[in-house]
Amino acid sequence: AQSVAQPEDQVNVAEGNPLTVKCTYSVSGNPYLFWYVQYPNRGLQFLLKYITGDNLVKGSYGFEAEFNKSQTSFHLKKPSALVSDSALYFCAVRDMSFTYKYIFGTGTRLKVLA
Amino acid sequence: DAGVTQSPTHLIKTRGQQVTLRCSPKSGHDTVSWYQQALGQGPQFIFQYYEEEERQRGNFPDRFSGHQFPNYSSELNVNALLLGDSALYLCASSLGTGLSGANVLTFGAGSRLTVL
Repeated sequence: AQSVAQPEDQVNVAEGNPLTVKCTYSVSGNPYLFWYVQYPNRGLQFLLKYITGDNLVKGSYGFEAEFNKSQTSFHLKKPSALVSDSALYFCAVRDMSFTYKYIFGTGTRLKVLA
Repeated sequence: DAGVTQSPTHLIKTRGQQVTLRCSPKSGHDTVSWYQQALGQGPQFIFQYYEEEERQRGNFPDRFSGHQFPNYSSELNVNALLLGDSALYLCASSLGTGLSGANVLTFGAGSRLTVL
């Protein structure tokens, strides 16, 4: 079965420091991977996606993610965190055996401390 | 350019009642998916509508049903509400069949349902 895991419920980082939010996946074929962010009382907003090609994907608001096939990981990164980055982050994988379904992780709450 | 709009934003129901949630997709989008997000969990796929038909369904009972209208808007209906149905219900729209690649979902802010 296709799945995605976010091992950390919460990540705390000081403003200006680099941040990493972890995601691992399990799929039977080539994965389509996504990161979304959710602010309070808002829907999920798309950050970036990996389909194929360069393992380093750049997205919105200075975020990037690194696809690692051998480690089945797709970690979200940002070189310098902002307080405004504090939110709930979801990793998702497209379930290619169930064509239209996206599987989301349980989310990681990022808290950037001033 | 309006994004995805959902109504109502909040509602409270009692067990056994029925509820209808509404969604208007982003302009230009023709596909609507519904997700249930329980507290502390990630969104779970309920079903997807395309060309006014349910194209695919997740692991949800038949109490959950939906509809898509010719203008691409959609409704989610839940009958015989249970306490466990309390959640944030998210509507997401996208363009096309979904077979042409990894279409990005555009989410609404959600409808928060509380079942007492």
